[in-house]
Amino acid sequence: EAGVAQSPRYKIIEKRQSVAFWCNPISGHATLYWYQQILGQGPKLLIQFQNNGVVDDSQLPKDRFSAERLKGVDSTLKIQPAKLEDSAVYLCASSPTWANVLTFGAGSRLTVL
Amino acid sequence: TQLLEQSPQFLSIQEGENLTVYCNSSSVFSSLQWYRQEPGEGPVLLVTVVTGGEVKKLKRLTFQFGDARKDSSLHITAAQPGDTGLYLCAGGSGTYKYIFGTGTRLKVLA
Repeated sequence: EAGVAQSPRYKIIEKRQSVAFWCNPISGHATLYWYQQILGQGPKLLIQFQNNGVVDDSQLPKDRFSAERLKGVDSTLKIQPAKLEDSAVYLCASSPTWANVLTFGAGSRLTVL
Repeated sequence: TQLLEQSPQFLSIQEGENLTVYCNSSSVFSSLQWYRQEPGEGPVLLVTVVTGGEVKKLKRLTFQFGDARKDSSLHITAAQPGDTGLYLCAGGSGTYKYIFGTGTRLKVLA
């Protein structure tokens, strides 16, 4: 089965610019997660979707970050405007509802200059 | 706020040595997972433990979930260079919500 697809793999932007990341989960996986991983640290949950509904977005900086999962399949995470501290890897993961199994994509590395 | 602290933060050992990584929290989790992450890749699930006191073995790796379901350990016997990576624990709760630990970076020298 195909894995979790993420794009772009790398992005470099100036502060105050905007950026968007895309994720296509494993087919049939109802739950989709976006995590932020700063270099050398563990991933931090930004938002969790169940189908096209938000389950948890308590740690999403909503003044600058937004995410959507239209039609309950692929998802987009947007940052506008970006800050230096947003430099990180943005990981997307998906999971079926019947198992405690998260499958991660390779991530999108963002550098904000 | 649920937090998972891992120790040690860094570990550099020689091939053939044994090691233990700890994952501790003041919160109770319904399940505990361990992942390994290599540079440029996403974390890959190694094991899931769901019962307090549960012990699982995966070849040279032994995972234990604490009796109170607040802590876990990962023991590697006879480490090999291929074990090098970032080890992450993740606590599960509620609606399949997973909180990750701070990470342990392991380097095994040949």
